[in-house]
Amino acid sequence: SQKIEQNSEALNIQEGKTATLTCNYTNYSPAYLQWYRQDPGRGPVFLLLIRENEKEKRKERLKVTFDTTLKQSLFHITASQPADSATYLCAHRTSGTYKYIFGTGTRLKVLA
Amino acid sequence: NAGVTQTPKFRVLKTGQSMTLLCAQDMNHEYMYWYRQDPGMGLRLIHYSVGEGTTAKGEVPDGYNVSRLKKQNFLLGLESAAPSQTSVYFCASSPTARPQESQYFGPGTRLLVL
Repeated sequence: SQKIEQNSEALNIQEGKTATLTCNYTNYSPAYLQWYRQDPGRGPVFLLLIRENEKEKRKERLKVTFDTTLKQSLFHITASQPADSATYLCAHRTSGTYKYIFGTGTRLKVLA
Repeated sequence: NAGVTQTPKFRVLKTGQSMTLLCAQDMNHEYMYWYRQDPGMGLRLIHYSVGEGTTAKGEVPDGYNVSRLKKQNFLLGLESAAPSQTSVYFCASSPTARPQESQYFGPGTRLLVL
């Protein structure tokens, strides 16, 4: 079955450094991958979408890459700030269905 | 626009009690979803709807029922609550069926079943 995997261990980094989160997928080739941010006690909020034919997508301090050979997407936050602390989810929606598949998310903590 | 709203925010139930969670969206979206989120399990789809009057089962539908009588509302019912249904429930919506379309989430309902 289609599966998205994210590192369940929390990632702690120092303020100002670049945070890199990983999303791996198995048993399928998504045409799009989405990244969401979730703060404690709140619903996920959409951040970025990357298409399979895009190697890289940027939005302000955020960068997402998509490597179809490795079956992996990387999510980078440059010049990280304590306000970036949250759980980040990757997700995929299969063409032809209405369902989304979410990873379990990786919790990021940026230390001041 | 309020986006996606959920009622109630928090509820405590005893085993065997019933309740209905209400989701409302004011974005005229066709597609609506109910998820539950448990530690280490991520978001799991319970039921979804592709339009007014239609519903379909997701990944974990047992013990839940849904209705979409109006386009803007999607109700999730628990007929006889069980402790295993203790979770945080999120409603979401999306405008179309395109795979690049993102979802818009509500703030969640925290449910505790004793």
